Amino acid sequence: GAVVSQHPSWVICKSGTSVKIECRSLDFQATTMFWYRQFPKQSLMLMATSNEGSKATYEQGVEKDKFLINHASLTLSTLTVTSAHPEDSSFYICSARSVNDEKLFFGSGTQLSVL
Amino acid sequence: AQSVTQPDIHITVSEGASLELRCNYSYGATPYLFWYVQSPGQGLQLLLKYFSGDTLVQGIKGFEAEFKRSQSSFNLRKPSVHWSDAAEYFCAVGTGNQFYFGTGTSLTVIP
Repeated sequence: GAVVSQHPSWVICKSGTSVKIECRSLDFQATTMFWYRQFPKQSLMLMATSNEGSKATYEQGVEKDKFLINHASLTLSTLTVTSAHPEDSSFYICSARSVNDEKLFFGSGTQLSVL
Repeated sequence: AQSVTQPDIHITVSEGASLELRCNYSYGATPYLFWYVQSPGQGLQLLLKYFSGDTLVQGIKGFEAEFKRSQSSFNLRKPSVHWSDAAEYFCAVGTGNQFYFGTGTSLTVIP
C-alpha cells in the first residue's frame, strides 16, 4: 500500500535553532500535502496546505515566517520550524493526497522537543 | 506495535439509512481515540474524540461512536445518513507521543 515517510520521527533541539521535517510519498505522487500539529490530549490542528510548485496556504493563526513549508516536488514536502522555542514543542504530522485516486495517507509524525 | 485498522475501504449507503464505520486498534493501554472526516477538497475535520469516561461519545453532524475495550473497537455510527455525509472517514489513535491513522473508509451516499 501507499506509504508516507516522515523524518525524523523525533528531534531535540536548542532554543533558537531551526529544525526541518521531511514528508515523502514513497510510491505515489502527491500534488497536495497537509501539515498538522497536535498538542497532548488534543486533536490535530491543520497548519497549512502545501501544493506542489506553489506557495503553501496557511491556516489562520499560523505564522508563515515561523513555519516554512516547501513542496518542491510531487513526492516531497518539508516543514522548517525556524528559531524554535519551547512553545513549539509538539507533535507534527503530515499527510499526502495521491494524484491518482485522491486518497489521503499519513506520515508517522515527528515529536519535536525544544530545550 | 500499535496499529489502527479500518476494515472497510469503501461503503455505499442510501440516503436516510443508518451507517456504521468500523475501527479496531492495537495498543496496550487505553488510547485516545478520534474520528475525522475529510470532504473533497477540504482538510480534516474532527467529528468526535474519546479520552475517558462515558464510552458512548457524541460528535458533530449527528455522529456518535462507542469505545468497546473488550473488542478494541471504536466504531462510528449515524442513524440516518445525509447526502452531504459522503466523504472519507479516518479513525485515529493517539498515545503519549504518537499518532496513528487508519487507512480510511470512503463513504458514498446514494439518493
